[in-house]
Amino acid sequence: QSVLTQPPSVSAAPGQKVTISCSGSSSNIGNNYVSWYQQLPGTAPKLLIYENNKRPSGIPDRFSGSKSGTSATLGITGLQTGDEADYYCGTWDSSLSVAFFGGGTKLTVL
Amino acid sequence: QVQLQESGPGLVKPSQTLSLTCTVSGGSMSSGSYFWNWIRQPAGKGLEWIGRIYTSGSTNYSPSLKSRVTISVDTSKNQFSLKLTSVTAADTAVYYCASERRGSVDSWGQGTLVTVSS
Repeated sequence: QSVLTQPPSVSAAPGQKVTISCSGSSSNIGNNYVSWYQQLPGTAPKLLIYENNKRPSGIPDRFSGSKSGTSATLGITGLQTGDEADYYCGTWDSSLSVAFFGGGTKLTVL
Repeated sequence: QVQLQESGPGLVKPSQTLSLTCTVSGGSMSSGSYFWNWIRQPAGKGLEWIGRIYTSGSTNYSPSLKSRVTISVDTSKNQFSLKLTSVTAADTAVYYCASERRGSVDSWGQGTLVTVSS
């Protein structure tokens, strides 16, 4: 069981919006930046969001991130079939001096 | 953005030591405020952080693996390495090396599958 809690799966229709939550604690999400990663089938993860809400170059603005207290959320609008992937949140835990990933959320675009 | 490539044996016997090397290209490991990470993923499961090293040699390890893990760096070769001792079948996974900056893993290697089996 991961320190960061994500829903195992979410689904929505093409063109719709979906959100993925990531819940932690004051020692991790509450006091550190959150990142989000997309892992397409059979590939390495890719950075989608860093420092809670910033997008690396090349990531479309359909992807957004936010953080409030000890939880973070990834939002994806205008869903495409190519967005079907596993999504992971990640952060540092200041108390333990370790990095954590959430358990991952599988997105299905129906 | 740097590129990373893992290398090492794909098959390790139980109780032996798993050794992997990550070669960094597209930039010097010594420049910039990077941490160099190892992350693994068992088949069908999520990501597990193993540990990281700074170019100064300072390390952080996952508590669950700390007694068996050593991460080292050779900036002259632009490489960093992972050693995991006393492996069991539970250590079978795809192992990724990755660069981290400002708290985010911004570049990942393609991953290498390591199977622990006799």
